[in-house]
Amino acid sequence: ETGVTQSPTHLIKTRGQQVTLRCSSQSGHNTVSWYQQALGQGPQFIFQYYREEENGRGNFPPRFSGLQFPNYSSELNVNALELDDSALYLCASSLTGLGETQYFGPGTRLLVL
Amino acid sequence: LAKTTQPISMDSYEGQEVNITCSHNNIATNDYITWYQQFPSQGPRFIIQGYKTKVTNEVASLFIPADRKSSTLSLPRVSLSDTAVYYCLVGDSDSGGGADGLTFGKGTHLIIQP
Repeated sequence: ETGVTQSPTHLIKTRGQQVTLRCSSQSGHNTVSWYQQALGQGPQFIFQYYREEENGRGNFPPRFSGLQFPNYSSELNVNALELDDSALYLCASSLTGLGETQYFGPGTRLLVL
Repeated sequence: LAKTTQPISMDSYEGQEVNITCSHNNIATNDYITWYQQFPSQGPRFIIQGYKTKVTNEVASLFIPADRKSSTLSLPRVSLSDTAVYYCLVGDSDSGGGADGLTFGKGTHLIIQP
């Protein structure tokens, strides 16, 4: 069974740029959730995708957007990057979108300069 | 979602049993209690989940009193590799997640010394 994978592992961008982060869900899982974790804080929920549709969203602005593909992999896109977007971005997959245990990937460390 | 309160940090020694208590005074009838473990620069890892009384798996035990306003994660005979951040989550689904996502606090930094 393949676990959740994310790419890239690290990324450096400058303010105002756009970034795309990628996630492959665990085999058999059709739901992907994205989280942002600032240094010293717990992960904060960004949004969730279930069968290619956005299924819930946290308190993040519209410049955070996502996609889920037919194979249930997912992308997180962030436009107009700000310095405060520097964080660890985590992807988690679950069997369904209805409260199943979420399995997290290793994350992508984004640094915005 | 019910708010949780847990100690910011704890220290212990190898071979000891460690108990981390989480308060959740406003827990709702349908809420479950879930604990995650996170190592630096890694994603959180599910440890254990329970609704009431006691749950045990190969990694930990979870004790929940009758009023469910608190819970205690018990790690038996810890080792240096148990040094991590432990999060207590409370939510109205099987894993405190679903369409609203998981709500993490700042967690408890557990440091195990030789």
